[in-house]
Amino acid sequence: AQKVTQAQTEISVVEKEDVTLDCVYETRDTTYYLFWYKQPPSGELVFLIRRNSFDEQNEISGRYSWNFQKSTSSFNFTITASQVVDSAVYFCALSEAAGYSTLTFGKGTMLLVSP
Amino acid sequence: EADIYQTPRYLVIGTGKKITLECSQTMGHDKMYWYQQDPGMELHLIHYSYGVNSTEKGDLSSESTVSRIRTEHFPLTLESARPSHTSQYLCASSGLTSAREQYFGPGTRLTVT
Repeated sequence: AQKVTQAQTEISVVEKEDVTLDCVYETRDTTYYLFWYKQPPSGELVFLIRRNSFDEQNEISGRYSWNFQKSTSSFNFTITASQVVDSAVYFCALSEAAGYSTLTFGKGTMLLVSP
Repeated sequence: EADIYQTPRYLVIGTGKKITLECSQTMGHDKMYWYQQDPGMELHLIHYSYGVNSTEKGDLSSESTVSRIRTEHFPLTLESARPSHTSQYLCASSGLTSAREQYFGPGTRLTVT
């Protein structure tokens, strides 16, 4: 069975600080996909990134970066120079490649960025 | 940009009423999903569909039912609402393979009094 663990329930930072959201996953599959979603106070989940298990390159998109390490089964998300608009709940998710697998979500990390 | 819609956005209803939460997508996606999200943030998959005339129960047992008569439409029905059904309901859709990200609607916040 697959599992996603986001150990940080809530993180509070001050604007311009860097922050890393942790995600650890468990799966028996060798091929799988990892995702991050953002849920702002408005409630809609917004897709941020997808990473497949064969691609361990880190990715950077503006202030966002993702560190995928198969050796530690982790897919961490870093926000550089955080802003108030980054305040949201962030979810990490896993999908196994076999068949028509559904997404398994972590419990989410609430990020609060204060001015 | 995702084109997935949910109505109503907010609903307050009395116990025992029948309600239908609407979800439509214009992306031609085969798979659609319903999640229930409690105030504690955790997302629970309650129903999903691979395509027309296909419906499956998710990880969390739910008293709701769904139907998929058209590709773009995936309504969720509660025959008799109870206060325990108070929650946020999120609809999503995706392409058929597991590599595809899910796109979410804005959600329906349901309160049963």
